[in-house]
Amino acid sequence: QVQLQESGPGLVKPSETLSLTCTVSGGSISNFYWSWIRQPPGKGLEWIGYIFYSGSTNYNPSLKSRVTISVDTSKNQFSLKLSSVTAADTAVYYCARRGWLGNYYYMDVWGKGTTVTVSS
Amino acid sequence: DIQMTQSPSSLSASVGDRVTITCRASQSISSYLNWYQQKPGKAPKLLIYAASSLQSGVPSRFSGSGSGTDFTLTVNSLQPEDFATYFCQQSYSTPRTFGQGTKVEIK
Repeated sequence: QVQLQESGPGLVKPSETLSLTCTVSGGSISNFYWSWIRQPPGKGLEWIGYIFYSGSTNYNPSLKSRVTISVDTSKNQFSLKLSSVTAADTAVYYCARRGWLGNYYYMDVWGKGTTVTVSS
Repeated sequence: DIQMTQSPSSLSASVGDRVTITCRASQSISSYLNWYQQKPGKAPKLLIYAASSLQSGVPSRFSGSGSGTDFTLTVNSLQPEDFATYFCQQSYSTPRTFGQGTKVEIK
């Protein structure tokens, strides 16, 4: 079955850019939307945005000025870049697949998550 | 943004109990409501989508109901593996938003 795996640096300095990649295995990245979600320590879940395999994106307005999500279909990967990070961006970052049934959408496959700490 | 509010924030229950968690949306979201379960150190797991549809592989003791602004997740006969945090999430509009979570603890 489809599996997702996040990868990237676990430590990022303040004001720098956080970069993560999600590798999709066991299935094709085509024909799906792919999401990034984060969870600060001890807190709830925040949707960052999603990308269609063709490249169209939708971002959370609260992060839109700092977020870029891209896709590389040849590698079956999609990526997250978050610029000008601060300690508030410290979180577990998850990638997830957006499944659907008719007009109902849900995140049905998740990566295990990767912890990113923003600190000098 | 649509605000999602869950209640209670936490509850204590015993194995075999019936547990009900409520999620309220700040505006009508029809049936565009999903429920997830999260265990410590793990990713969320989809339980219910479209307010009441059980995700494949999820035990039938989990059920969801509601539409509009008020939704419930019910766990019949709570099992030891059900002690976790539960989140609701709306898929009516972007940005997608989640409830703050309900932690189900062992009494």
